[in-house]
Amino acid sequence: KQEVTQIPAALSVPEGENLVLNCSFTDSAIYNLQWFRQDPGKGLTSLLLIQSSQREQTSGRLNASLDKSSGRSTLYIAASQPGDSATYLCAVKQTGANNLFFGTGTRLTVIP
Amino acid sequence: EAGVAQSPRYKIIEKRQSVAFWCNPISGHATLYWYQQILGQGPKLLIQFQNNGVVDDSQLPKDRFSAERLKGVDSTLKIQPAKLEDSAVYLCASSRGYGQPQHFGDGTRLSIL
Repeated sequence: KQEVTQIPAALSVPEGENLVLNCSFTDSAIYNLQWFRQDPGKGLTSLLLIQSSQREQTSGRLNASLDKSSGRSTLYIAASQPGDSATYLCAVKQTGANNLFFGTGTRLTVIP
Repeated sequence: EAGVAQSPRYKIIEKRQSVAFWCNPISGHATLYWYQQILGQGPKLLIQFQNNGVVDDSQLPKDRFSAERLKGVDSTLKIQPAKLEDSAVYLCASSRGYGQPQHFGDGTRLSIL
């Protein structure tokens, strides 16, 4: 069974810093990997989706990379802002499966 | 485009009572998902619909949970009777199809007393 791990569980950085969030998964037979943002009391907002054949995806200050063979993905956030404070979740879709396997998330706090 | 709509936003009930949640997916999205998110954990899939048919309900506790998607649009998730461990946020998501990005609603926060 696929297991998704996110380390660290919580991270605090001063405003303006670049930061990296990590996601690892145990089964490399994935269809795609998706990064989400969750604000308190809210649902999940999709940030980036990387297909298994891709190495990275970029959107604004966000860059997500995927190394399928090593079972790892990273989310890079450039020039962090207080508005980036949220919980970031990665989720993996297995090839041939229907659901997403989620990590437990990294709670990010950007200090002004 | 309008997002995924869920109601109610909050619900407090006593154990052994019943409760129902409603979801309206994004227009044109054939696939609809219900997830359960317990505090401090990632969401866990309960059931997936493709149009009005069930694709995957392997993680749904069928002795107490039920879900339907009539006419392939709106969906309801019911719990009867509720247990203390059902306290969680219930998220609805939809997508255009397999492998497409899933879009989530804000969820229903359920508290069982």
